[in-house]
Amino acid sequence: EVQLLESGGGLEQPGGSLRLSCAASGFTFSSYAMSWVRQAPGKGLEWVSAISGSGGSTYYADSVKGRFTISRDNSKKTLYLQMNSLRVEDTAVYYCAKGYPGDSPLDYWGQGTLVTVSS
Amino acid sequence: SSELTQDPAVSVALGQTVRITCQGDSLRTYYASWYQQKPGQAPVLVIYGKNNRPSGIPDRFSGSSSGNTASLTITGAQAEDEADYYCNSRDSSGTHIVMFGGGTKLTVL
Repeated sequence: EVQLLESGGGLEQPGGSLRLSCAASGFTFSSYAMSWVRQAPGKGLEWVSAISGSGGSTYYADSVKGRFTISRDNSKKTLYLQMNSLRVEDTAVYYCAKGYPGDSPLDYWGQGTLVTVSS
Repeated sequence: SSELTQDPAVSVALGQTVRITCQGDSLRTYYASWYQQKPGQAPVLVIYGKNNRPSGIPDRFSGSSSGNTASLTITGAQAEDEADYYCNSRDSSGTHIVMFGGGTKLTVL
């Protein structure tokens, strides 16, 4: 059974940093691209970033480029999102998902972790 | 173009058929995927590719595409189908960016 479990969310001040993790199980982690998707309170889904199975290719939404860094440790079957220079508008539930649309659909999602950016 | 457009809300009578649409230039190159999201829950993939359903998704869900428009059809809508539905695809201009539509709130009457 595929499972994705996010952690690392919480309350942070504007300009601060947080690191999200997503522990994967139930599939060959290194064989699949992974994505982060967020959802602001009461709003729709917004794709944030994706990374190839090897970690050699990374992609970002314009809204986070230069501030967020996606990475993965295939030996630990874990996906990461390093979030720097946080802004109030980054407040959202952050989901990790297996896949990268265009190559593969987002066929499994974690339950999400809430990031709140507020002073 | 890097935008997918969905109607904000659609309603359907119980047991009837409803179509939810998604428009965008990228859909001329990439198939849309469709996700169902119920309140307080993570999204669930319901349709991907030309018209593929993941295991466990009822066959009343189907997908189609024509030109710049993708459609999700629910044939014989059930009360449990009431949810938000999102389409997504990759931008076709080579940016590697992924887009979501704004979502459609489906109400089953």
